Amino acid sequence: DIQMTQSPASLSASLGETVTIECLASEDIYSNLAWYQQKPGKSPQLLIYYANSLNDGVPSRFSGSGSGTQYSLKINSLQSEDVSIYFCQQNYDSPPTFGGGTKLELK
Amino acid sequence: EVKLVESGGGLVQPGRSLKLSCAASGFSFNDYWMGWVRQAPGKGLEWIGEINQDSSTINYTPSLKDKFTISRDNAQNTLYLQMSKLGSEDTAIYYCAREYSYFDYWGQGVMVTVSS
Repeated sequence: DIQMTQSPASLSASLGETVTIECLASEDIYSNLAWYQQKPGKSPQLLIYYANSLNDGVPSRFSGSGSGTQYSLKINSLQSEDVSIYFCQQNYDSPPTFGGGTKLELK
Repeated sequence: EVKLVESGGGLVQPGRSLKLSCAASGFSFNDYWMGWVRQAPGKGLEWIGEINQDSSTINYTPSLKDKFTISRDNAQNTLYLQMSKLGSEDTAIYYCAREYSYFDYWGQGVMVTVSS
């Protein structure tokens, strides 16, 4: 199975700040990477697919980048509603695997 | 509006079985792969398995292949997860999701607690 390693595991940032979450795959996943946001008590929601494509309705302050084994999710101008856990997921090879998650809190 | 609504969860004794359902609406159910993902309390996401449009291909994560069975009824727009030989390690929220390589729609989840 492809291992997905997210960093950091937790993150504290201020309103308006820019934050970046990293995801490292154990092998090349050729940009077959998605990012999800899970708000407290809710199901995950798709933010980004194919590494850098923004899902419909997702604010433009979210962006994804990367290639090969290294990917990142960037949130510009952090808002209070962005407090969530963020997960990456590779869908290059079966089984699909998720990163361990990054818990984003407000400072 | 795409909606996925899971049901059938609850408290179950170790070693017993349970069947979850996921009712789909707002899209052409028989055009999509569907999947199940679970999340143990306070933990990350674990893919359970997937089923294609006509049920001819069903894939599972290897560790659950002998315990869980995924099926679907396209006439009823419903996805199922039959779980057997349940143990405490299966305590989790179970989500159904529409699968298109990534998971673009998720249900609200249903809690399964395995305990005596």
